[in-house]
Amino acid sequence: DAMVIQNPRYQVTQFGKPVTLSCSQTLNHNVMYWYQQKSSQAPKLLFHYYDKDFNNEADTPDNFQSRRPNTSFCFLDIRSPGLGDAAMYLCATSRGAGAPQETQYFGPGTRLLVL
Amino acid sequence: QKEVEQDPGPLSVPEGAIVSLNCTYSNSAFQYFMWYRQYSRKGPELLMYTYSSGNKEDGRFTAQVDKSSKYISLFIRDSQPSDSATYLCATKTSYDKVIFGPGTSLSVIP
Repeated sequence: DAMVIQNPRYQVTQFGKPVTLSCSQTLNHNVMYWYQQKSSQAPKLLFHYYDKDFNNEADTPDNFQSRRPNTSFCFLDIRSPGLGDAAMYLCATSRGAGAPQETQYFGPGTRLLVL
Repeated sequence: QKEVEQDPGPLSVPEGAIVSLNCTYSNSAFQYFMWYRQYSRKGPELLMYTYSSGNKEDGRFTAQVDKSSKYISLFIRDSQPSDSATYLCATKTSYDKVIFGPGTSLSVIP
């Protein structure tokens, strides 16, 4: 019944050790988003894919990369995690990008801890 | 000034109370307004969606938008312990990204 799935739910990594977070969807939506959410803060959009087209937010650090090998899967790669990258990472999907009535469906998130 | 601001709370109310959650926004170009509910350790889920000014009701929930004052409200009637969550207001222009507020934490005490 799950529509947007994120794995793992909790990830512990070491300072500077690359880490990959995974998102998959069963909705066949065109758009997949990655957000970073720190405690008591708004989700912050990192980037999104419209189909295979990658759209990076201007203030997303180069340390964050993404891959979308097919419609169903999207990955967030953090090349050299710093302590400041500890956060909840949310994946979301929508049918279209930006159309007013488009609802974003969120996954449960992956909580990343950097030691 | 942040684009969307909310009082983070926490807000604690007794079961059955009417809850009022509020947001302000800065960009007059925003036309679409949303409320998301986020339970602990879960992703946000869309509760209400409104366009332009006015009220929209869905069961115990009423969303209100006043574009003249750039003020967004969510009212919860007959609040239940299951309503305990963080409520994020969000807004967008026609074809742009969603801007979220930081959320208000709500606890409904039985």
